[in-house]
Amino acid sequence: DAGVIQSPRHEVTEMGQEVTLRCKPISGHNSLFWYRQTMMRGLELLIYFNNNVPIDDSGMPEDRFSAKMPNASFSTLKIQPSEPRDSAVYFCASRGMGNTEAFFGQGTRLTVV
Amino acid sequence: RKEVEQDPGPFNVPEGATVAFNCTYSNSASQSFFWYRQDCRKEPKLLMSVYSSGNEDGRFTAQLNRASQYISLLIRDSKLSDSATYLCVEEGGADGLTFGKGTHLIIQP
Repeated sequence: DAGVIQSPRHEVTEMGQEVTLRCKPISGHNSLFWYRQTMMRGLELLIYFNNNVPIDDSGMPEDRFSAKMPNASFSTLKIQPSEPRDSAVYFCASRGMGNTEAFFGQGTRLTVV
Repeated sequence: RKEVEQDPGPFNVPEGATVAFNCTYSNSASQSFFWYRQDCRKEPKLLMSVYSSGNEDGRFTAQLNRASQYISLLIRDSKLSDSATYLCVEEGGADGLTFGKGTHLIIQP
């Protein structure tokens, strides 16, 4: 398996633009997590899905952020409109059933100017 | 929301020395704990799980103290390649995986 695949790897956009981050989890994994990492705040859980259903989205900072998981092999995180304070590395992770290891993608480095 | 607290460091340790750091958690009902390692500009990767009885993997030992709500990581005979950020992780059912901000370790030759 190729692991968790995220795209794009880097994104530079202007304030006010819509940004869409994509994630393909490992095949067979039933949980998917979106995290945001900054120097100041560390790794913050934004939202996670179990069997494609959002379980906890209390970490989503504002209504500008939305996430979907239309099927078991794809998820998106959208920011509309983007702001400079959204600049961070966004990680997607997936894991199988039980207390198993969570595997992370390589992340998307987002810069909003 | 659950809190996982770690000393951010950096811990500067000479090669070959033993280093230990702790992590405290707030949710007494949490069942599972992990240590992840993150290299600079890379994604986090699982280092080891933490069990109530403690566990050891080569030079690494992890222990859980439920009474005081902390977990620890001990690294013996440290290597230059151990330099990284070590993230403490708590799992509490529906809250998913909560990460600490990490402890930065630098092994010096």
